Amino acid sequence: QKEVEQNSGPLSVPEGAIASLNCTYSDRGSQSFFWYRQYSGKSPELIMFIYSNGDKEDGRFTAQLNKASQYVSLLIRDSQPSDSATYLCAPRTDSWGKLQFGAGTQVVVTP
Amino acid sequence: SAVISQKPSRDICQRGTSLTIQCQVDSQVTMMFWYRQQPGQSLTLIATANQGSEATYESGFVIDKFPISRPNLTFSTLTVSNMSPEDSSIYLCSVEGGKHPDTQYFGPGTRLTVL
Repeated sequence: QKEVEQNSGPLSVPEGAIASLNCTYSDRGSQSFFWYRQYSGKSPELIMFIYSNGDKEDGRFTAQLNKASQYVSLLIRDSQPSDSATYLCAPRTDSWGKLQFGAGTQVVVTP
Repeated sequence: SAVISQKPSRDICQRGTSLTIQCQVDSQVTMMFWYRQQPGQSLTLIATANQGSEATYESGFVIDKFPISRPNLTFSTLTVSNMSPEDSSIYLCSVEGGKHPDTQYFGPGTRLTVL
């Protein structure tokens, strides 16, 4: 059974602090990894993707990938109340584009 | 990224009936996907729909229950057949492509309630 594990939270983060979200996956064949943000009542919105080991930065977001450890993370710097949402980790598990979603981590940024 | 619309945005249906959900994209895309998100849960892939071929269903989902059409490169439909309250969910279509070919973008979703 291919699995994607995330801490469900809620992860409470003071405004201005760094939110750190973790994700582990079981399918070693996964080649690309996606982070989606989902506000309550809305559809998922793509915020980051990463293909190679190491870090990838985009604005206040940094994705980190370690394929040997089957681990991917997302850092949100200078967290804002508008970052309060559920963050979904999704490895791409095959060449046809299938994504397997984790349960998501709820982030709550407190003023 | 592509602009994706879904119809209806929400519906309340009676047990035993069927509902067809439409997904329209503003550009041609090869791969379209249908997901279900049950209350408080994450997304589960129902099927992958390529134009001109039969949809590929994931384990636990069957064509008789969730028939899918993909008549062209900008449109797809998902039908939820013989509905029961357990089918109450948000149904989402997604497409792959845009600036980064491997990325998937989601439509706004259809919120279905079955009484």
